Amino acid sequence: AQSVTQLGSHVSVSEGALVLLRCNYSSSVPPYLFWYVQYPNQGLQLLLKYTSAATLVKGINGFEAEFKKSETSFHLTKPSAHMSDAAEYFCAVRGGNRDDKIIFGKGTRLHILP
Amino acid sequence: GAGVSQTPSNKVTEKGKYVELRCDPISGHTALYWYRQSLGQGPEFLIYFQGTGAADDSGLPNDRFFAVRPEGSVSTLKIQRTERGDSAVYLCASSSVVGAVAGTQYFGPGTRLTVL
Repeated sequence: AQSVTQLGSHVSVSEGALVLLRCNYSSSVPPYLFWYVQYPNQGLQLLLKYTSAATLVKGINGFEAEFKKSETSFHLTKPSAHMSDAAEYFCAVRGGNRDDKIIFGKGTRLHILP
Repeated sequence: GAGVSQTPSNKVTEKGKYVELRCDPISGHTALYWYRQSLGQGPEFLIYFQGTGAADDSGLPNDRFFAVRPEGSVSTLKIQRTERGDSAVYLCASSSVVGAVAGTQYFGPGTRLTVL
């Protein structure tokens, strides 16, 4: 069985500050991990994914995430927040088969303060 | 097409009515998924097709929900005797099982269903 826990349903950061969105996972098999972003009234867009090739994964829009097996974590970071980063972010986990379903966390809404 | 498309974008219906939601996946993607996103929640898996057959329908909440993909491309999610609790955004995703992006699910914009 797999699950994802996102810590904090809302996170506020000032423009230019570090963004840190926390995600912990549970998986009985080596996981594939994802971060998706959802802008208002838009569909889910893939930010980045971990597929066991490298523990530090770089994604679009300056985001990156680090897979830490010992902590069962996959936190999302960005060094400097921009107003356009305001959105809902979802951490997700999938099993080892390429066509497995994805299990999503409940999401974290990121607010950027001017 | 360039991306996953879903129609209609919005659907308002009355309790007890039947609705159909359509998904057109990315051309060449053999895997197709339906998810449901309720307000304030993450998407929840409903059903997954590999080609024409439903490979996993464990997420369908009850027998009022049914989905088909008769030619292995377009899929239709069908909901009978709709209830107010069915109100949500229904998301469709597709993925390829080959190539560099194999296993990455690409999502459509969703259909917002409101049951009055």
